[in-house]
Amino acid sequence: EVQLVQSGAEVKKPGESLKISCESSGYRFSSLWIGWVRQMPGKGLEWMGIIYAGGSDTRYSPSVQGQVTISVDKSISTAYLQWSSLQASDSAMYYCASFVSGTTYADYWGQGTLLTVSS
Amino acid sequence: QSALTQPASVSGSPGQSIIISCTGTTSDVGGFNSVSWYQQYPGKAPKLMIYDVTHRPSGVSDRFSGSKSGNTASLTISGLQAEDEADYYCSSYIISTSPNYVFGTGTEVTVL
Repeated sequence: EVQLVQSGAEVKKPGESLKISCESSGYRFSSLWIGWVRQMPGKGLEWMGIIYAGGSDTRYSPSVQGQVTISVDKSISTAYLQWSSLQASDSAMYYCASFVSGTTYADYWGQGTLLTVSS
Repeated sequence: QSALTQPASVSGSPGQSIIISCTGTTSDVGGFNSVSWYQQYPGKAPKLMIYDVTHRPSGVSDRFSGSKSGNTASLTISGLQAEDEADYYCSSYIISTSPNYVFGTGTEVTVL
């Protein structure tokens, strides 16, 4: 079974950059799609984007396109979500989730990374 | 892309059955047998409860079942228990919009 372990909570200032991680184990990483999900305080879940760990296919939601970058490092079975210039509105909980290639459901989830952006 | 439509809240007494609906379009729910359901407790990560409309992952109680008719998918919780009190989200594959997945608006289930 897949295990996803995310990096810890972050407190940042507006304008700062950040890269959060999601380390996978228990399954062949190159056979997975990794999705990132945003949950703003008191709100619902939103798919931000997904990346195929076995290749370069990356797909972003129009709401975050150009605002974040999703990447993977296959050598360490880790996916990333990064910002070059944070805004207060980026404050949220971020989850990574895995899809086995060929399936259309996220069967395993990370524990979440809480991001607070405040001056 | 627009989120799939779910009722904001559903409630029931212990032992009763409740149904949560998830309405989309022919581009998502109606077009594919790719609807999944997730349970989320406050402050916790979502958990997969149903996939491919009707399938239950190993370890999920058989009190949870899924179905679909046209553009609307449904999650039924039978024999409602206090531990079922949580938020529930549907998700569907969507052909027309990146990243090809969309969540529902979420439903808060309350056990009276």
